[in-house]
Amino acid sequence: QKEVEQNSGPLSVPEGAIASLNCTYSDRGSQSFFWYRQYSGKSPELIMFIYSNGDKEDGRFTAQLNKASQYVSLLIRDSQPSDSATYLCAVQRTGTYKYIFGTGTRLKVLA
Amino acid sequence: GAGVSQSPSNKVTEKGKDVELRCDPISGHTALYWYRQSLGQGLEFLIYFQGNSAPDKSGLPSDRFSAERTGGSVSTLTIQRTQQEDSAVYLCASSLLAGVSGANVLTFGAGSRLTVL
Repeated sequence: QKEVEQNSGPLSVPEGAIASLNCTYSDRGSQSFFWYRQYSGKSPELIMFIYSNGDKEDGRFTAQLNKASQYVSLLIRDSQPSDSATYLCAVQRTGTYKYIFGTGTRLKVLA
Repeated sequence: GAGVSQSPSNKVTEKGKDVELRCDPISGHTALYWYRQSLGQGLEFLIYFQGNSAPDKSGLPSDRFSAERTGGSVSTLTIQRTQQEDSAVYLCASSLLAGVSGANVLTFGAGSRLTVL
């Protein structure tokens, strides 16, 4: 079992729809969770992070964390073609500064 | 500096040669990370530094890989006797440590693309 798992996609959604991206992790003691966006040929850039159970909203983005289920998700409302990218989930390993990334989910927003 | 700077941006080498990749983190960032990303793949953790020490080297693929950081700033990743499977983008990131329980955001450099012929 990989430490951080994501569906590789591609996930295709029409413009204006909600895109839902999911991530599961194996280390129950993991503390902080991050979503990065990576455009083709570019470096990852932070979208948002979350470390408390529940929802965290930032503009069109909402991160959801459920530690009991070891599950973190990212919702993108009113998806735009410019949101088309690979979304990487990252988890901070317990008691360390080490961050493990999932393989990413490729999102395609269709105009 | 204003961002994380990596050099070279592109390196083509022959199998068996040694290469050095350099990372200059954001000024004041205590932590520095090296990741590797093969074509179409996710980020593979290699090593991270807290100051000049490397608490976790577990991601280095083999003893051909080594890294050092001096002066709490610049880091060099060295790959000896390169193999074709070493071809990838090597990404460096830095972070201002906010405490183990805090959320430390990684800022990435543009990467060094290594091609081993």
